[in-house]
Amino acid sequence: AQSVTQLDSHVSVSEGTPVLLRCNYSSSYSPSLFWYVQHPNKGLQLLLKYTSAATLVKGINGFEAEFKKSETSFHLTKPSAHMSDAAEYFCVVRPMFSGGYNKLIFGAGTRLAVHP
Amino acid sequence: SQTIHQWPATLVQPVGSPLSLECTVEGTSNPNLYWYRQAAGRGLQLLFYSVGIGQISSEVPQNLSASRPQDRQFILSSKKLLLSDSGFYLCAWSSGTYEQYFGPGTRLTVT
Repeated sequence: AQSVTQLDSHVSVSEGTPVLLRCNYSSSYSPSLFWYVQHPNKGLQLLLKYTSAATLVKGINGFEAEFKKSETSFHLTKPSAHMSDAAEYFCVVRPMFSGGYNKLIFGAGTRLAVHP
Repeated sequence: SQTIHQWPATLVQPVGSPLSLECTVEGTSNPNLYWYRQAAGRGLQLLFYSVGIGQISSEVPQNLSASRPQDRQFILSSKKLLLSDSGFYLCAWSSGTYEQYFGPGTRLTVT
């Protein structure tokens, strides 16, 4: 069965320091992978996606993620955190055989806090 | 460009009352549509999805139902709300690509 595990439920960083949010997936085939961000009481916004092209994926707001098949990981990084990055982040996998309706599997989320 | 609307933004309803949440998408045709619920401190739970008008599939048995009367309109309903129906309801769409795009959400509090 397909699954996704976000290794940290909470991450706290200082403004201007690097961000690392960890995600591991379980899939028998090459999945599509996504990171979404959710600010309080808002909908989810797509940060970036991996769909079997380049393994290093660049997204919005300076975020990027690297697909590592050997480690089944898709960690999200940003070189320098900004106060506005404080939010909840979801790692999401779309299994290769997802059916006609494009089923997504969501991780439990990582809450990122950014301190001055 | 595509946009997705949800209303109302917030709703407080007593137990046993009916519910109707609406979602509309602009700028795309024949999208797949989804309803999710996000309970406090928990992840997203897919409730319903639709691949076309009148075609609704339910992921989990519950007190809710969904309808798609028009191509870009998706409605979430209940005849009698339960306390456990409280949560943040998100509508999403996808079309031609794998990612889904989410609306702003509706915060439902059942009292």
